[in-house]
Amino acid sequence: QKEVEQNSGPLSVPEGAIASLNCTYSDRGSQSFFWYRQYSGKSPELIMSIYSNGDKEDGRFTAQLNKASQYVSLLIRDSQPSDSATYLCAVTNTGGFKTIFGAGTRLFVKA
Amino acid sequence: EAEVAQSPRYKITEKSQAVAFWCDPISGHATLYWYRQILGQGPELLVQFQDESVVDDSQLPKDRFSAERLKGVDSTLKIQPAELGDSAMYLCASSNRDRGSYEQYFGPGTRLTVT
Repeated sequence: QKEVEQNSGPLSVPEGAIASLNCTYSDRGSQSFFWYRQYSGKSPELIMSIYSNGDKEDGRFTAQLNKASQYVSLLIRDSQPSDSATYLCAVTNTGGFKTIFGAGTRLFVKA
Repeated sequence: EAEVAQSPRYKITEKSQAVAFWCDPISGHATLYWYRQILGQGPELLVQFQDESVVDDSQLPKDRFSAERLKGVDSTLKIQPAELGDSAMYLCASSNRDRGSYEQYFGPGTRLTVT
């Protein structure tokens, strides 16, 4: 079992729709969770961090965390073609010493 | 806006040659990370520094890779000799971990091609 798992996609949604990206992790003691956006050929860009159960909203982005289910998700409302990218889920291990990245989910927003 | 700087942006080298990458973290960030990212995969940690000390290099192939952060600011990652399998994106990131922030900020990366 991988430490951080994501569906590789591609996930295809029409412009204006909600894109839902999911991530599961294996370390039950994980405390910090991050979503990064990575355009092709570019480096990852931090878009959301979440530390406690529930929802956290920032503009069109909402991160959701459920530690009991070891599940974190990212919702993108009113998806735009410019949101087309790979979204990486990152989780720190127990103690916060090490951050593990998932392989990413490719999102394609159709105009 | 503060950014992580890396150079070079692109490097093409022949196998068995030496190659070096440089990183300057965001000012004040004590924690510096070097990652390798192969196409289609997530970043994999190679080495993590806290100030000038290595705190994790468990995934660093020490027979050919070395990293240093002598003054606790900028850092150099070296590969000698390079192998075909080293072709990847090398990413540097920094964080203010000693102040309780685990958010990592990445530089633009160095795309290495070994021929």
